[in-house]
Amino acid sequence: GQNIDQPTEMTATEGAIVQINCTYQTSGFNGLFWYQQHAGEAPTFLSYNVLDGLEEKGRFSSFLSRSKGYSYLLLKELQMKDSASYLCAVKDSNYQLIWGAGTKLIIKP
Amino acid sequence: NAGVTQTPKFRVLKTGQSMTLLCAQDMNHEYMYWYRQDPGMGLRLIHYSVGEGTTAKGEVPDGYNVSRLKKQNFLLGLESAAPSQTSVYFCASSSGQGEVDEQFFGPGTRLTVL
Repeated sequence: GQNIDQPTEMTATEGAIVQINCTYQTSGFNGLFWYQQHAGEAPTFLSYNVLDGLEEKGRFSSFLSRSKGYSYLLLKELQMKDSASYLCAVKDSNYQLIWGAGTKLIIKP
Repeated sequence: NAGVTQTPKFRVLKTGQSMTLLCAQDMNHEYMYWYRQDPGMGLRLIHYSVGEGTTAKGEVPDGYNVSRLKKQNFLLGLESAAPSQTSVYFCASSSGQGEVDEQFFGPGTRLTVL
């Protein structure tokens, strides 16, 4: 079967750095996505990785290792507005997205 | 541009009732999707469409039907609602082009079936 694993919940302090991990086992791989979802709202696209390595976009970076089936999302200089759920998703061999359950990130002042 | 819109935002049904959820997008996207989101689970694909007049089954299609008569609209129908269909339903769209082809989501419909 296909599986995406993420921690259920993480807590971090405003101004700090946090790393959210995602491991996956899917039938095929055509890219990995990170989405942000604030409570009661729609998911919004954050980042995309298809090759190994780090993609940086402002305060957010995403890393991929295809051989390990592993990705992480790194958030720097945390702000209160970063409190949200972060969803990891993999595009499988059928080009459909398989989603993890999401990691709820709580930011404390 | 409104992006992706969904109606209604909230709905309460009794077991056995039927309803239709409407999704509309103004981005001229070819692909449209219906997902459900349940606590502790990832988004699950119900049905999707790769163009006007086409539909296909996703991971959890049972109990749902869809139609894509116009490119900008994607309708999700529940013929006989069951409590197991209590969920938040999200519609999404994408261009269907390019390597990334990110999906844009609507605000969701919260459905409770009693």
